[in-house]
Amino acid sequence: DAKTTQPNSMESNEEEPVHLPCNHSTISGTDYIHWYRQLPSQGPEYVIHGLTSNVNNRMASLAIAEDRKSSTLILHRATLRDAAVYYCILRDVFSGKTSYDKVIFGPGTSLSVIP
Amino acid sequence: DAGITQSPRHKVTETGTPVTLRCHQTENHRYMYWYRQDPGHGLRLIHYSYGVKDTDKGEVSDGYSVSRSKTEDFLLTLESATSSQTSVYFCAISEHDRGNEQYFGPGTRLTVT
Repeated sequence: DAKTTQPNSMESNEEEPVHLPCNHSTISGTDYIHWYRQLPSQGPEYVIHGLTSNVNNRMASLAIAEDRKSSTLILHRATLRDAAVYYCILRDVFSGKTSYDKVIFGPGTSLSVIP
Repeated sequence: DAGITQSPRHKVTETGTPVTLRCHQTENHRYMYWYRQDPGHGLRLIHYSYGVKDTDKGEVSDGYSVSRSKTEDFLLTLESATSSQTSVYFCAISEHDRGNEQYFGPGTRLTVT
């Protein structure tokens, strides 16, 4: 199963952009790159996902390398509410069977936002 | 926010007692999942369901069973709770399975003494 590698922790100043990296060198052609975040004492929250092209939504942007072996989640202006653990995971879009595609949530990156 | 609730939110129980956790959704999503989260292990899948009465095991299913008699409810049962099952349990739903985003419930903190 393809896995991802993220830094254990990062810090950012409030109102500054944050770039959270993720390496996935064994990604397959049918893997989507998903990002979730988990605020303290809450369940994980979907942030964004993409396949090949960069993606934007109201929460963040996702920049995907041309070879797809790495990606970066971009928070344009960090707020205190963005302090969370961010997970980068791969989800296989191929639906050859009904069984679960063994999504693996690694330890993620713990983001601290400094006022 | 996706309509997912979990009950109870907190529970303390004794070793050897049965425990049932409930996940309820109002989104009519086909797929439902139970995860547990422990320090140092991240989120691990226990069981999942791909339809009413259709369930399958995840990576840490020993000691757990599930049932789904209707679309909106997914029950996780610990037949005989052990201290190693002390954890935070999250339910998740998704409209499709592969490649699709999951939406998580608020979690249930279970302590087995």
